[in-house]
Amino acid sequence: DTAVSQTPKYLVTQMGNDKSIKCEQNLGHDTMYWYKQDSKKFLKIMFSYNNKELIINETVPNRFSPKSPDKAHLNLHINSLELGDSAVYFCASSPGWTGIGYTFGSGTRLTVV
Amino acid sequence: GIQVEQSPPDLILQEGANSTLRCNFSDSVNNLQWFHQNPWGQLINLFYIPSGTKQNGRLSATTVATERYSLLYISSSQTTDSGVYFCAGPRGNMLTFGGGTRLMVKP
Repeated sequence: DTAVSQTPKYLVTQMGNDKSIKCEQNLGHDTMYWYKQDSKKFLKIMFSYNNKELIINETVPNRFSPKSPDKAHLNLHINSLELGDSAVYFCASSPGWTGIGYTFGSGTRLTVV
Repeated sequence: GIQVEQSPPDLILQEGANSTLRCNFSDSVNNLQWFHQNPWGQLINLFYIPSGTKQNGRLSATTVATERYSLLYISSSQTTDSGVYFCAGPRGNMLTFGGGTRLMVKP
């Protein structure tokens, strides 16, 4: 059983397109997150979300939006994709709102051409 | 927000050697975590260690919160220890990651 699963694992798309990455966790965690890892391996927080609150890193362009149909899912929508959006995107979850006990998904490698 | 710096940025070891990775943070923390990203990209949570010392097999971690640093010890390194080691500190309920230490263990 995969605790935090992301789909697709690889995504190649053209500039200007709109795409989504799905994330599901079966751990019963309350909080989910999206992180971006660039080509130099730097990991940067994008969003954290539970059923009460969405916190957005102020540096994230508004072309990125998280959508949560329920507690176990946090999908990432990206509009008008740009070359600089190419990266590996990681979903994660944690039991509470304190950020302790992270579990990461296996990542989605997005390539914008 | 908190700044997290890791050293060294790169490390090459011969199998069986020991090593120490360091993480400095700019402010006091109540949530300091170490992660390992294996060569296939999977991120694994190693330790939650806001203070004190914890051990898990050949790995151990120590955080001296008053001096704002944490150390990750790897003893008797194995090729499977290769990858990138990250420490991360709190940014609200999220984590701010250091730049990582890229470790290669040679057989």
